[in-house]
Amino acid sequence: KAGVTQTPRYLIKTRGQQVTLSCSPISGHRSVSWYQQTPGQGLQFLFEYFSETQRNKGNFPGRFSGRQFSNSRSEMNVSTLELGDSALYLCASSRGGTGAKSYEQYFGPGTRLTVT
Amino acid sequence: AQSVTQLDSQVPVFEEAPVELRCNYSSSVSVYLFWYVQYPNQGLQLLLKYLSGSTLVKGINGFEAEFNKSQTSFHLRKPSVHISDTAEYFCAVSENTGFQKLVFGTGTRLLVSP
Repeated sequence: KAGVTQTPRYLIKTRGQQVTLSCSPISGHRSVSWYQQTPGQGLQFLFEYFSETQRNKGNFPGRFSGRQFSNSRSEMNVSTLELGDSALYLCASSRGGTGAKSYEQYFGPGTRLTVT
Repeated sequence: AQSVTQLDSQVPVFEEAPVELRCNYSSSVSVYLFWYVQYPNQGLQLLLKYLSGSTLVKGINGFEAEFNKSQTSFHLRKPSVHISDTAEYFCAVSENTGFQKLVFGTGTRLLVSP
């Protein structure tokens, strides 16, 4: 089975611009979660999507948004970029649904965003 | 809300020596526990998980962990490390709420030297 894929792998943007990151989950997985990783704050949960609905959201400003498509692929968008948005953005997929195994999350390689 | 504490930010060890990376968690509901490893410029790889059943769980690359509910701990162990085990290790918890949200510890950098 192919793993989680994320595109692009690297991005350089300027303050004030917006950016869209893409994530394709493992085949059959219906839940996609996004995380931000920075040296200062560590790994922080952004949001989770399941069956095209946002089920859970972390403590991030409204500039961070996302969506999920009917094929479970997901995108996240950051508008009005700030220097502090520079980070590794990780996408994770899980089976979703019920049962303990639905909590197993598998991560993609991440998108490294640099804001200048 | 749940939280995870990894007390050791860095653990230096010699090759072929045993190692233990400590993890403690806090939660008011039942949880699932995970260890992930991250190599430089890569994503997170699932090492092992505790979902239910036996409290001693085995993972990939010879790692194992023991879930201790009374001490709210989930320490990671390996009896003999290799140079290739040098990486960042993250302990994570997910509350049994129906939502897939992982809360991570701050990570432990394992440095294996010859």
